[in-house]
Amino acid sequence: DAGVIQSPRHEVTEMGQEVTLRCKPISGHDYLFWYRQTMMRGLELLIYFNNNVPIDDSGMPEDRFSAKMPNASFSTLKIQPSEPRDSAVYFCASSPRVAGAVGQYFGPGTRLTVT
Amino acid sequence: SQKIEQNSEALNIQEGKTATLTCNYTNYSPAYLQWYRQDPGRGPVFLLLIRENEKEKRKERLKVTFDTTLKQSLFHITASQPADSATYLCALRANTGNQFYFGTGTSLTVIP
Repeated sequence: DAGVIQSPRHEVTEMGQEVTLRCKPISGHDYLFWYRQTMMRGLELLIYFNNNVPIDDSGMPEDRFSAKMPNASFSTLKIQPSEPRDSAVYFCASSPRVAGAVGQYFGPGTRLTVT
Repeated sequence: SQKIEQNSEALNIQEGKTATLTCNYTNYSPAYLQWYRQDPGRGPVFLLLIRENEKEKRKERLKVTFDTTLKQSLFHITASQPADSATYLCALRANTGNQFYFGTGTSLTVIP
């Protein structure tokens, strides 16, 4: 298995632009998670899905962030408009069966820089 | 608010010694506690999981303990090797709700 795939690996954009991050989870995994990692705040859960349905989006920082999972093999995280404080590494992770009872498999991350 | 604290200082140990990393939590009861390894520029990699009703879990050179009274988990790497150098993260899932919380990690360096 190729593992969790994320694209792009690096994104540099100007403030105010729309940013879309993409994720392909491991086939057969029912849970998909989006995290953001910064030096100051560490790894923060933004939102997670179970069987393509958003379960908890309480970590989404504000309305500028949105996430979708149109099918079991694809998810997007969109930031519109982007701001410099959104600069971070964004990770997608997937997990089989009951969330938390098994480990999560993380992708390589997307490093976002907003100037 | 939920809070997870890991060794704030980087940990340097001599090869062959046992490394012990600490994860302390407050304000809620975790159903599961997980430990991950993260190398620079990469995503975290799952290592071990321990449930609230388990005291100890082992996997090869790794051992995790879970003390719900102290609200603490300890992560041990025995016979440490330079290849064990990385940042180690603990993560908890509360037994109410579905939130996952990660600690900020402890940087471990094993000196040859």
